[in-house]
Amino acid sequence: DAKTTQPNSMESNEEEPVHLPCNHSTISGTDYIHWYRQLPSQGPEYVIHGLTSNVNNRMASLAIAEDRKSSTLILHRATLRDAAVYYCILRANSNSGYALNFGKGTSLLVTP
Amino acid sequence: DAGVIQSPRHEVTEMGQEVTLRCKPISGHNSLFWYRQTMMRGLELLIYFNNNVPIDDSGMPEDRFSAKMPNASFSTLKIQPSEPRDSAVYFCASRPNRAGNQPQHFGDGTRLSIL
Repeated sequence: DAKTTQPNSMESNEEEPVHLPCNHSTISGTDYIHWYRQLPSQGPEYVIHGLTSNVNNRMASLAIAEDRKSSTLILHRATLRDAAVYYCILRANSNSGYALNFGKGTSLLVTP
Repeated sequence: DAGVIQSPRHEVTEMGQEVTLRCKPISGHNSLFWYRQTMMRGLELLIYFNNNVPIDDSGMPEDRFSAKMPNASFSTLKIQPSEPRDSAVYFCASRPNRAGNQPQHFGDGTRLSIL
């Protein structure tokens, strides 16, 4: 499985934009890029996913590099409720039904 | 819509006891996953079901762990006998179908403590 690399932690001020980077230099042509987040004491929560083009939804935007070797999750205005661990994930082994290979993720701290 | 429902939310039991964790997936979802989360190993897949059939159980730690899905609306993960190293948060997730780009929906987990 292709691996992802994320910073261990990031910090942002409330109501500021946040750019969470992810490197995936060994990504294959058919791998989707998924982002999940995990708030304290909760299960992981789907945020967004994409293949080649940039994607927007009500939670965030996903910017994918032209060579697909990196991507950035963008939270347009961070709130205190966005403090969580953010995971950048590529498709896992198809025998596992595209189960999610969670790495360590980026722990986002949002300060007032 | 009701999400994935797991029970119990917390379980504390003594070493050697049998533990049963329960999961009700989202109605209409035909893929179900069990994950375990620990500080040391993070989130790891235990087993994957598709249409109630176990497809990949390579993540199940050992024979003390077993999982069943008797119907589309219910799954169990059983540990017998339990050991302190099984202490973790266990998550169940479901997904509409097998497509790799479909998001998974997670329950709030069962926090298991084996004394």
